[in-house]
Amino acid sequence: DTAVSQTPKYLVTQMGNDKSIKCEQNLGHDTMYWYKQDSKKFLKIMFSYNNKELIINETVPNRFSPKSPDKAHLNLHINSLELGDSAVYFCASGFFGRDTQYFGPGTRLTVL
Amino acid sequence: AQSVTQLGSHVSVSEGALVLLRCNYSSSVPPYLFWYVQYPNQGLQLLLKYTSAATLVKGINGFEAEFKKSETSFHLTKPSAHMSDAAEYFCAVMDNDMRFGAGTRLTVKP
Repeated sequence: DTAVSQTPKYLVTQMGNDKSIKCEQNLGHDTMYWYKQDSKKFLKIMFSYNNKELIINETVPNRFSPKSPDKAHLNLHINSLELGDSAVYFCASGFFGRDTQYFGPGTRLTVL
Repeated sequence: AQSVTQLGSHVSVSEGALVLLRCNYSSSVPPYLFWYVQYPNQGLQLLLKYTSAATLVKGINGFEAEFKKSETSFHLTKPSAHMSDAAEYFCAVMDNDMRFGAGTRLTVKP
């Protein structure tokens, strides 16, 4: 009964590859998010997705693209991976507006 | 845009001592404020949240935080630290999205 789940937990890949991280929530939330946590633990919002409306943080490279097959899933696809993409990526979900967000366990991406 | 600032990237206390982690917010409207905890190699877990109700908010694991509008603060406290409290703590404010502080690493010495 995990509320927000992500796969894989660890992802090691070569520069230039394309990879995806999957996220699923079973909380009935209407909004999902992707965050990037760098090596200094700083958390930065990448995307929020609500009722098919995508809000993108303007600093996110267009190599990153979220894909939502339905309200319970928001996958993150990354093209042409770079060394600087190495980080922990967290998925989260919540109700749109000013409510709590619930986080997945994270995916540690290492680009070699 | 709203933001939060956490004072002190690292706080070290002895087991049984008071824990005080500082957070100040900048907001032109009453904010929704949160404290999250991140244990090593895990995701973020909600400790407590302030949503314009009581100014003293009680959370899980014996933590509480007080919203002080005059000081624009939302400091997190726990009367007696336990070894299991060692983790990274994040203050956050909800704008259209969640904006996190830089985090404070809490170390608890035996």
